[in-house]
Amino acid sequence: EVQLVESGGGLVKPGGSLRLSCAASGFTFSSYSMNWVRQAPGKGLEWVSSISSSSSYIYYADSVKGRFTISRDNAKNSLYLQMNSLRAEDTAVYYCARDLGTAMAPRGFDYWGQGTLVTVSS
Amino acid sequence: SYVLTQPPSVSVAPGQTARITCGGNNIGSKSVHWYQQKPGQAPVLVVYDDSDRPSGIPERFSGSNSGNTATLTISRVEAGDEADYYCQVWDSSSDHNVVFGGGTKLTVL
Repeated sequence: EVQLVESGGGLVKPGGSLRLSCAASGFTFSSYSMNWVRQAPGKGLEWVSSISSSSSYIYYADSVKGRFTISRDNAKNSLYLQMNSLRAEDTAVYYCARDLGTAMAPRGFDYWGQGTLVTVSS
Repeated sequence: SYVLTQPPSVSVAPGQTARITCGGNNIGSKSVHWYQQKPGQAPVLVVYDDSDRPSGIPERFSGSNSGNTATLTISRVEAGDEADYYCQVWDSSSDHNVVFGGGTKLTVL
């Protein structure tokens, strides 16, 4: 059974940093591109970042470019999102999601984690 | 940047057919994916590549895409279909953005 489990969310002050993790199991993690998608309270879905299976290709939404860094450790079956210079508007549930396609040509996201809440507030 | 436009809400009686649209400039040239999200839960992929269904998704869910509009059709709607639905595309022309529509709340009357 495919499972994605996010962790690392919490309350952080504006300007602070946080590192999210996503532990994958039930599939060959190293064969899939992965994504982070967020959802602000009461709002819609927003794509944040994608990373290819070998980390060769990485993409970011304009809203997080220069502040967030996506990475992965295929040996540990884990995906990460380092978030720096956090702002109030980064407050959201952050989901990791597996891509049916590739980071270079994304398709649908067929498995999602349960999400981890990040709250940026003083 | 590429914009996907969905109606905020759609209402349908049980047993009827719901159609949720997703508008975008020449969206027919892109692959459209659809997600269902129930309150407090993660999204679930219900249609990908315009009209394919992942395993486990009922045949009642179907999709089409042409011109400037993609459509998710839910036949024989059930109370359990009440949820938010989001369309998604990959905009290869604008710095590799993955774009979601604003979402449509499906209400089963």
